[in-house]
Amino acid sequence: GENVEQHPSTLSVQEGDSAVIKCTYSDSASNYFPWYKQELGKRPQLIIDIRSNVGEKKDQRIAVTLNKTAKHFSLHITETQPEDSAVYFCAASIGSSYKLIFGSGTRLLVRP
Amino acid sequence: GAVVSQHPSRVICKSGTSVKIECRSLDFQATTMFWYRQFPKQSLMLMATSNEGSKATYEQGVEKDKFLINHASLTLSTLTVTSAHPEDSSFYICSTIGTGQETQYFGPGTRLLVL
Repeated sequence: GENVEQHPSTLSVQEGDSAVIKCTYSDSASNYFPWYKQELGKRPQLIIDIRSNVGEKKDQRIAVTLNKTAKHFSLHITETQPEDSAVYFCAASIGSSYKLIFGSGTRLLVRP
Repeated sequence: GAVVSQHPSRVICKSGTSVKIECRSLDFQATTMFWYRQFPKQSLMLMATSNEGSKATYEQGVEKDKFLINHASLTLSTLTVTSAHPEDSSFYICSTIGTGQETQYFGPGTRLLVL
């Protein structure tokens, strides 16, 4: 069945450094790839998303890249701040449906 | 983004009882709602897809008779955990999407503890 793998499971960076989280997906028909940030005990919040007809998207300090051929996509956070500390989940649509399959999550810690 | 609420935020119940969780879309008509379950330090697992006015579709391995879903209106979906057992203790989160949209907006979640 469909699968999304996410790496690393934990990531610790110094404030101001960049953080990169990578995901691979198995369903070549997937066409929508959102990233969510979840703080402890809170709801997942969409931070950025990308569709399969786009290779890269940027929103201030956050960027996402997509390589359809290799079936992987990455989240890049630059100039990290302590408030970026959270769990980040990637997701991929199941085919062209609205259903999502989520990666296992990355716990990001930004050290002041 | 869309505003989604859930009620209750947390519930503690005895084994064998049923618990109803409400998910409301407050500022737009949600043609589709999704229900997820999240165990501690784990990912979100899709349980079922709920479409207004029709029966929910369940993911493989999710018992439809145990997790009853009703999507009676464009703004409300309910999940009832029937005959709850301790292994059902989890964080249950709903999400909504509007017609023709693909972005899912999540509710704040309901933490269920079954004693």
